[in-house]
Amino acid sequence: ILNVEQSPQSLHVQEGDSTNFTCSFPSSNFYALHWYRWETAKSPEALFVMTLNGDEKKKGRISATLNTKEGYSYLYIKGSQPEDSATYLCAFIFTGNQFYFGTGTSLTVIP
Amino acid sequence: DTGVSQDPRHKITKRGQNVTFRCDPISEHNRLYWYRQTLGQGPEFLTYFQNEAQLEKSRLLSDRFSAERPKGSFSTLEIQRTEQGDSAMYLCASTWGLVVGDTQYFGPGTRLTVL
Repeated sequence: ILNVEQSPQSLHVQEGDSTNFTCSFPSSNFYALHWYRWETAKSPEALFVMTLNGDEKKKGRISATLNTKEGYSYLYIKGSQPEDSATYLCAFIFTGNQFYFGTGTSLTVIP
Repeated sequence: DTGVSQDPRHKITKRGQNVTFRCDPISEHNRLYWYRQTLGQGPEFLTYFQNEAQLEKSRLLSDRFSAERPKGSFSTLEIQRTEQGDSAMYLCASTWGLVVGDTQYFGPGTRLTVL
C-alpha cells in the first residue's frame, strides 16, 4: 500500500487569508495526481488533474503545483472565503487504475 | 444527468447481519470504483469495474465482501456477517475510463453503522 501524506491535518484561517497545503507521494512510477474538495454532507468534487512535472493549474482563487521528481504537490487558496471550508484530498495514481488517497487537510475559514 | 447516486445514504445494522449497497454511476461511464472511508482517513480503494468486469480487488476486501456490476451499469456491494469494524462511509465513483487516471465523479456515500 502506497503512502500518500497530507499536511497539515487541519487548518483554521481567517477570512481573507491565503493558505496552502502539501501532498507528498512516492516519486517513482508516477502517473497522475488529483486534488478533490469534500464539503460536509456532499460528494468529493474534483479540483485538478495533474500529470506533468512542473504542472500548474488554477481555478479561480485555487491553484496547484506539481513536482513529480521530489514527490509533492501544493494546493494554494488565495483570499480564503468561508465557502472554501472543506476537506481537501489528494489522490496519487501510479498504475492508472488505483487511486491512493491522502488523509486530507481539513480547512476551516473563520468569517 | 444527475451524477452518481448511492442508496441507501445511511444504514444501521446489527453485527452479523448482511447489508447491500447500490451505486448508480453517471451513464456512459464505463469504470466504477468502490472505496471505504473511516474516520480520520482518506478513501481506501476496495475494488473497481471496467464495464461488468471486476478488474481489481484490494486486500482490504475480505471474503465477506462481494461486489457486482451485472450489466455494466449499476453496481452493488454486499457485506456478509457484518462486524463493528465495517462501520464506515462507503463511496462509489465513476469515470469514463477512456484516459487512464481520468477524474472520478463521486456519489454521496452510504454511511454504515454496525451495532
